[in-house]
Amino acid sequence: AQKITQTQPGMFVQEKEAVTLDCTYDTSDQSYGLFWYKQPSSGEMIFLIYQGSYDEQNATEGRYSLNFQKARKSANLVISASQLGDSAMYFCAMRLSGTYKYIFGTGTRLKVLA
Amino acid sequence: DTGVSQNPRHKITKRGQNVTFRCDPISEHNRLYWYRQTLGQGPEFLTYFQNEAQLEKSRLLSDRFSAERPKGSFSTLEIQRTEQGDSAMYLCASSLSGTGSPLHFGNGTRLTVT
Repeated sequence: AQKITQTQPGMFVQEKEAVTLDCTYDTSDQSYGLFWYKQPSSGEMIFLIYQGSYDEQNATEGRYSLNFQKARKSANLVISASQLGDSAMYFCAMRLSGTYKYIFGTGTRLKVLA
Repeated sequence: DTGVSQNPRHKITKRGQNVTFRCDPISEHNRLYWYRQTLGQGPEFLTYFQNEAQLEKSRLLSDRFSAERPKGSFSTLEIQRTEQGDSAMYLCASSLSGTGSPLHFGNGTRLTVT
């Protein structure tokens, strides 16, 4: 069965430093997509970044990058130059090609310290 | 692109009452999803529509839950005979087709069953 695992329930980072949020996934399929979402205290889920399983380059979107290691089945989110506004819950999600269901992990709560 | 709209934002109801939530997706998105999120957890898949067809329902969705998407536009989620365990955030999301298409979420409807 497909599964997303986020082992860090909470993380702290100092403002302006980089932080890595871990995500591992379990699937026997070769074609899939990986997503990261941010959920601030306001509750809205905000899409951050996407990585396809066949993409050879790691995805980047501004201060967000995805450290994709296919053999290890990991898709860690790296946030560079952390800002106070980055404090939120972060969710990793997966969707298998040919399906429509997105499976989410349990999330990591990030707190950026001033 | 006005985003995904959900209403109401909050709903408090007594156990045994019926409630209905509405979701207006992004207009050009043909896929619509309902997810449920409880405190400290990631979103859990409830059901999925492609245009007006409901293609999958999670086993989490008991017979008390029903969802519709008439004419492939807005969607409603109804919960009959609510129970305290139904208390959660109900998230609606829409997307385009394609493995790399991210979900775009609404702000959710927070249901409290007393």
